[in-house]
Amino acid sequence: DAKTTQPPSMDCAEGRAANLPCNHSTISGNEYVYWYRQIHSQGPQYIIHGLKNNETNEMASLIITEDRKSSTLILPHATLRDTAVYYCIVRVAPGVTGGGNKLTFGTGTQLKVEL
Amino acid sequence: EAGVAQSPRYKIIEKRQSVAFWCNPISGHATLYWYQQILGQGPKLLIQFQNNGVVDDSQLPKDRFSAERLKGVDSTLKIQPAKLEDSAVYLCASSLDRALTDEQFFGPGTRLTVL
Repeated sequence: DAKTTQPPSMDCAEGRAANLPCNHSTISGNEYVYWYRQIHSQGPQYIIHGLKNNETNEMASLIITEDRKSSTLILPHATLRDTAVYYCIVRVAPGVTGGGNKLTFGTGTQLKVEL
Repeated sequence: EAGVAQSPRYKIIEKRQSVAFWCNPISGHATLYWYQQILGQGPKLLIQFQNNGVVDDSQLPKDRFSAERLKGVDSTLKIQPAKLEDSAVYLCASSLDRALTDEQFFGPGTRLTVL
C-alpha cells in the first residue's frame, strides 16, 4: 500500500471549516484513499473514502486532486467534538487480487478545535 | 445496533505474566481484526480472521502472542509471557467484508500496562 504524509498537528476555530491535507504521491491506479479518525480513548472511526471523484457524506467531504497524488478532508463546520487524530490511509479495494481489508495507519494529524 | 465489545478495558500485569483479551464483533461480521496501538503511534494490525480462518498474521509475534476465533464469532488474544514493550492499547475491529463497503468498526480497546 502507498505511503501517506500528513502534518502532525493542526488547529481550527469552532464553527470554521477544517481542511486536513494528505500527500500520497506514490498512489497506484487501483488504490483508494480512506480517512479514519480517533477521538481520545476511543477506537478509530471510519469517515469517508474515495477513488478519484470528490465524495461527500454526512460527516465530511473528500477532495482528491486530478493526479490523485494528494487529497483534503474537509469538516465544513468543526465542533469541539471533532478534536481527534485523523488518519489518511491508501489501500487497494477489497476483492482486488492481492488486496485485502488491511488498514496501515501512519501517525495521522492531531486536529484541535478550539473556541 | 450493538458495537464491537472488548474486555477488560484496562489490565495491569508484571512482565513474564500472561494475559488474555476478549472481543465480540458486530453480529454478522465475517472479518475480525486485532490491532496493537503503542502510545503516540497509529494502530498496527496483528492478525486478521475471515470467519474462523487466519487471513493475515504476518505482524503477530508468534513466540509470545496467540489468537483464536474458534466458532467464527468472538475472539481471544493472548500474550504469554508479556514484555515491557507490550504495553499498548489492543483494539479489536470487525467488518462485513463486502467489496468497497468494508468499513471497519472498532471497539474501545484494552489498555495493557506491563510493569
